[in-house]
Amino acid sequence: NAGVTQTPKFQVLKTGQSMTLQCAQDMNHNSMYWYRQDPGMGLRLIYYSASEGTTDKGEVPNGYNVSRLNKREFSLRLESAAPSQTSVYFCASRRDPGLGNEQFFGPGTRLTVL
Amino acid sequence: TQLLEQSPQFLSIQEGENLTVYCNSSSVFSSLQWYRQEPGEGPVLLVTVVTGGEVKKLKRLTFQFGDARKDSSLHITAAQPGDTGLYLCAGAKGQGGKLIFGQGTELSVKP
Repeated sequence: NAGVTQTPKFQVLKTGQSMTLQCAQDMNHNSMYWYRQDPGMGLRLIYYSASEGTTDKGEVPNGYNVSRLNKREFSLRLESAAPSQTSVYFCASRRDPGLGNEQFFGPGTRLTVL
Repeated sequence: TQLLEQSPQFLSIQEGENLTVYCNSSSVFSSLQWYRQEPGEGPVLLVTVVTGGEVKKLKRLTFQFGDARKDSSLHITAAQPGDTGLYLCAGAKGQGGKLIFGQGTELSVKP
């Protein structure tokens, strides 16, 4: 099992460009999450999907959109990138049933917006 | 608004020393998790505590959940260079799956 995989690992964008971050999990988990990590701020939830076909906003959703393509895949899209979106992005999935809410994380995508 | 406050944010110690990291909140959580993250990787779950007053041990690491389920601590005995990394606490409210993370504690253990 690969667990949670993310592509790409690194990306540099210019302000105004768009891109999609891909995430897939092979653990048959229902719930999936997108976080951003910035120095001194821990991880902040952008969007999450409790099950296939549903998505909900997290703490910092502005400037992002998501798609739960199927049970395995959950993508994050930046329509018009801004320097404030320079960050490390993590995808996670949750083991079900979720007593304790354990989440499993991918290796991250390091995004720089110039 | 940071609902979970971690302290200290940075800690640099010598091999063999003991340390404690604190995670505090004014909110009650249904469970609390501790993750460890190494450079260039995603966080990895160390432990989940669910019951107020619960203590869990993982080799030299001891985790405690406060009686009121508002705070937690991580104690490392005889730290080793391999313990170096970012330690994150995360609280859950209900079974919805969303986690609230603390800012993290950057630990450096020097040989």
